[in-house]
Amino acid sequence: DAGVIQSPRHEVTEMGQEVTLRCKPISGHDYLFWYRQTMMRGLELLIYFNNNVPIDDSGMPEDRFSAKMPNASFSTLKIQPSEPRDSAVYFCASTLRGGQGFTDTQYFGPGTRLTVL
Amino acid sequence: GEDVEQSLFLSVREGDSSVINCTYTDSSSTYLYWYKQEPGAGLQLLTYIFSNMDMKQDQRLTVLLNKKDKHLSLRIADTQTGDSAIYFCAEIPPSGGYNKLIFGAGTRLAVHP
Repeated sequence: DAGVIQSPRHEVTEMGQEVTLRCKPISGHDYLFWYRQTMMRGLELLIYFNNNVPIDDSGMPEDRFSAKMPNASFSTLKIQPSEPRDSAVYFCASTLRGGQGFTDTQYFGPGTRLTVL
Repeated sequence: GEDVEQSLFLSVREGDSSVINCTYTDSSSTYLYWYKQEPGAGLQLLTYIFSNMDMKQDQRLTVLLNKKDKHLSLRIADTQTGDSAIYFCAEIPPSGGYNKLIFGAGTRLAVHP
């Protein structure tokens, strides 16, 4: 299994530009999570989906952030317009609830390091 | 509040045992996890323990769970330089529908010769 795939791995952009981060979850997983990691705030859950439907977006910082999951194998996190304070590492994770073992284990992608100048 | 607490730093000598401690918040959490993050990489599941267990051993790793005190620990025997990383404790409480992982701030383990 290829694991959770994220792209790009690194993104450098200028303030005001639109940024789109992409994620491909592990095949067959029914939950997908977007996290943000910063030195100041640690790991924060931004939003999660179940069967492609957004369930809880209470962690999304503000309206500049949006996330979609058009199908079971693809999700995007978009920031428009981007600001320097959005600089962070963004992780995508997926899990299969109720699968064999039922450990609710979340499998993380390698992350996208975003720098907004 | 939802704060999983961990000490921020631990320094050990190669070959010694490392013990990383964590205090979690919700005694109803069913699973408790230890994730490892190496520099520049994502989080990797290291081990987990179900809440009805007191101890779980997996090769060099031993997880101890004290439900009464809501205390979780990770012991790494014969610590190697490759164990240098940040270790995150996490719980998955019922308050989030058993869907939301709550992470601690992470313990940075430094292994020196």
